Amino acid sequence: DVKVTQSSRYLVKRTGEKVFLECVQDMDHENMFWYRQDPGLGLRLIYFSYDVKMKEKGDIPEGYSVSREKKERFSLILESASTNQTSMYLCASTLGTGVGEQYFGPGTRLTVT
Amino acid sequence: LAKTTQPISMDSYEGQEVNITCSHNNIATNDYITWYQQFPSQGPRFIIQGYKTKVTNEVASLFIPADRKSSTLSLPRVSLSDTAVYYCLVAPSGYALNFGKGTSLLVTP
Repeated sequence: DVKVTQSSRYLVKRTGEKVFLECVQDMDHENMFWYRQDPGLGLRLIYFSYDVKMKEKGDIPEGYSVSREKKERFSLILESASTNQTSMYLCASTLGTGVGEQYFGPGTRLTVT
Repeated sequence: LAKTTQPISMDSYEGQEVNITCSHNNIATNDYITWYQQFPSQGPRFIIQGYKTKVTNEVASLFIPADRKSSTLSLPRVSLSDTAVYYCLVAPSGYALNFGKGTSLLVTP
């Protein structure tokens, strides 16, 4: 069965902390994505990666960076967390060829205080 | 990426057929149309995908007219558990997706 896992379901951090959100997929997918979801704004794409060590900015990359050292793992990094980064973060993956469906993880609800 | 427009919300009673229409006037030749479903506190889940005409699976049907400028997701005989947000997405093969705000469907007894 297809599986995308995220390191935490709930996370509380303080302003200025460095935050790591981890995402792992076990489907050998090439493409991985990070979204954030906020009420009234829908899902917005932060970063995505089509291959190991490769990354592309999405619609709202400011304040975030990513790392993809291994095919199965895609990390989202908040270099210095701010309160406006309080949100639900969703990771997804998909096969490289064809359109295919995106498989989503359960999400991490991050609160920055 | 093609811009999509879909209703913000819809209401239905159990047992009825629900049709959610999505407008995508500037769809490109290599774009596919994909629909996702999202329940509260969960990630979106793929429902159906198509390029033209009609696609049907065990969950839903997708109707796409010849000009492809719109599409309709049809959910037969909805139940309370179909209450969710439904997203229409249009993108070329392998491209990152813009989910937008979706349509919030409420099914009541």
